[in-house]
Amino acid sequence: NAGVTQTPKFQVLKTGQSMTLQCAQDMNHEYMSWYRQDPGMGLRLIHYSVGAGITDQGEVPNGYNVSRSTTEDFPLRLLSAAPSQTSVYFCASNPDRDPLNTEAFFGQGTRLTVV
Amino acid sequence: ELKVEQNPLFLSMQEGKNYTIYCNYSTTSDRLYWYRQDPGKSLESLFVLLSNGAVKQEGRLMASLDTKARLSTLHITAAVHDLSATYFCAVTVSNFGNEKLTFGTGTRLTIIP
Repeated sequence: NAGVTQTPKFQVLKTGQSMTLQCAQDMNHEYMSWYRQDPGMGLRLIHYSVGAGITDQGEVPNGYNVSRSTTEDFPLRLLSAAPSQTSVYFCASNPDRDPLNTEAFFGQGTRLTVV
Repeated sequence: ELKVEQNPLFLSMQEGKNYTIYCNYSTTSDRLYWYRQDPGKSLESLFVLLSNGAVKQEGRLMASLDTKARLSTLHITAAVHDLSATYFCAVTVSNFGNEKLTFGTGTRLTIIP
C-alpha cells in the first residue's frame, strides 16, 4: 500500500523556471491538499481539493496552480519560480471530505530550492 | 482568520520528567489534531479529537480538548529520548462547506538523557 507518493524528493530550480510537483494517492481519498513548510511557520495550506474537478485556494496560493482531473492525482505547478518559494512541500489526503473527522495522510515531502 | 498558537515553541526536558504542550486557537472548532514530525521526515498522525472534553492516550502521550476554552493540551509523562520530535496541532475551519486544516507553528521537543 503506497499511500501518498510525492515526486521528486529534491529539486533545484532557477528563478523563473516552471515545474510540477507530483502527488498521487492510492487510497481513493476525495480530499487532497498541498502545504508548504518553512522554519518557524508550521505548515501553510496552498491549495486543496474536495474531489475530482474541484479545487480551492488555501492560505498562500499565489504563484501556484493546481488541477484535479482524477481522484488519484493532485499536481502542484509553479509557473515562474521565485526564491521565496524555496521550501519543503507536503501533499496530504484525507478519507473524509466534510467534515474532516479523520487524520490526514502525508507524503514524504519535496524539498525545493530556487536559486 | 483562524490563528493556531502553540507554546512553548521550543522545549528541552530531561528524561523521566512530565510536561505539557499547549495549543490555542482563535475561532470555533470542535475538531483538533496532533501530529509528530521527526527531522527531515513527514508528519505522522498522533491523535484526532472530535468533541469537547475528548481525551486520548497513547503510551506516554495524552491529548485533551476543551472547545469552550479553545485549548488543547498534549501531556508527556516520564519523557524518553525517542519522544524527541516536533509536535504540531491543527484545527479545521469550514470554508463555505469545505473544510481547511490550519496548523500551529509547532513545538520542538528535545529530551535530554
